[in-house]
Amino acid sequence: AQKVTQAQTEISVVEKEDVTLDCVYETRDTTYYLFWYKQPPSGELVFLIRRNSFDEQNEISGRYSWNFQKSTSSFNFTITASQVVDSAVYFCALSEAYSGNTPLVFGKGTRLSVIA
Amino acid sequence: ETGVTQTPRHLVMGMTNKKSLKCEQHLGHNAMYWYKQSAKKPLELMFVYNFKEQTENNSVPSRFSPECPNSSHLFLHLHTLQPEDSALYLCASSQGQSLGNEQFFGPGTRLTVL
Repeated sequence: AQKVTQAQTEISVVEKEDVTLDCVYETRDTTYYLFWYKQPPSGELVFLIRRNSFDEQNEISGRYSWNFQKSTSSFNFTITASQVVDSAVYFCALSEAYSGNTPLVFGKGTRLSVIA
Repeated sequence: ETGVTQTPRHLVMGMTNKKSLKCEQHLGHNAMYWYKQSAKKPLELMFVYNFKEQTENNSVPSRFSPECPNSSHLFLHLHTLQPEDSALYLCASSQGQSLGNEQFFGPGTRLTVL
């Protein structure tokens, strides 16, 4: 079973629409961290957010917001009023103590295309 | 500017060639990583170094040989590769390997094996 599941492989939206990227994780640990990264066409992964398992408060940063729900093991990412520059592949990742020295387990990513 | 640089950005090599990928981080981090990103597959962790010591080798074939001479530099030596090794190779660094440390990535080397 996948540790991090991003069920949406590709999403296309029209500029200014809101879009939510789903992330479901699986872990046996009570202490763990969740991350979102953005990979633009240039290639490097850009860190967006980190959330620890004890902090279920939702977070908003500009047009970005994150909804962490332990009850459903989900950490979803919403972009409000999307822009063409948001087009990228977005990765959700899990860091858990159970994995030992394996620091991050990534989902397969969701490719977001924002059309002008 | 992520502070992690990789060279070359693109590399085309034959199956009998020997080449090396280089990664350098300017962030003062202690841990460095190599990942492989193939089309339509999750990011695969290949190697982890913490304070220059290898702490993880994720069953990577011996045709990939890492080297970490110091905490700022990481190499991936390549020899007798296969076409299926064509991928984007990403380097990352973090402040130690503690749970929850975010990793900072370089732009990657796009490798094509003919």
